[in-house]
Amino acid sequence: AQKVTQAQTEISVVEKEDVTLDCVYETRDTTYYLFWYKQPPSGELVFLIRRNSFDEQNEISGRYSWNFQKSTSSFNFTITASQVVDSAVYFCALGNAGGTSYGKLTFGQGTILTVHP
Amino acid sequence: NAGVMQNPRHLVRRRGQEARLRCSPMKGHSHVYWYRQLPEEGLKFMVYLQKENIIDESGMPKERFSAEFPKEGPSILRIQQVVRGDSAAYFCASSPPATLSEQYFGPGTRLTVT
Repeated sequence: AQKVTQAQTEISVVEKEDVTLDCVYETRDTTYYLFWYKQPPSGELVFLIRRNSFDEQNEISGRYSWNFQKSTSSFNFTITASQVVDSAVYFCALGNAGGTSYGKLTFGQGTILTVHP
Repeated sequence: NAGVMQNPRHLVRRRGQEARLRCSPMKGHSHVYWYRQLPEEGLKFMVYLQKENIIDESGMPKERFSAEFPKEGPSILRIQQVVRGDSAAYFCASSPPATLSEQYFGPGTRLTVT
């Protein structure tokens, strides 16, 4: 069975602080995909990143960076110099890459990030 | 290219009524996934459909819930005889046939059962 754990239920920071959101996953598949989504107060899901299991290169996009470590089954997300607009719920998700459930996503419980001015 | 569309965005039903949620995938996408987000929880997979076929419905409650994706028209998630516990946000995602890992989510339908 697939499982995604986001141990941090809520994080509160002050603007300009760096913050890391943790994500640990479990899967028996050798090929899979990992995702991060942002859900602002308006409720829609905003895609942030997709990473496949055979690409462990870390990625940086502006103030966002992701650290994928297969050895520890973790895919952590760091926001540098946080801003109030970063306040949202962030979801980590694991995607099937084969079989009849190809594409099906398993989501973590989410981390509520609040950035105070 | 329009994104995934869901309607209605908000739906209020009284207990015992039926709820019909619609999802129009992106153009060229023949795969649709439905997810449910209960209050203060993550999204849970419900069902995966291709045109005219249900591929995986392992996350769908056995009773009162059904889904379809006809040859023409949107995918429909139908909930019969709604109960208060069905109140949730229902998200639809679509993907192209060649890259099923690319899922594009709609804005969701927020169902409130009174």
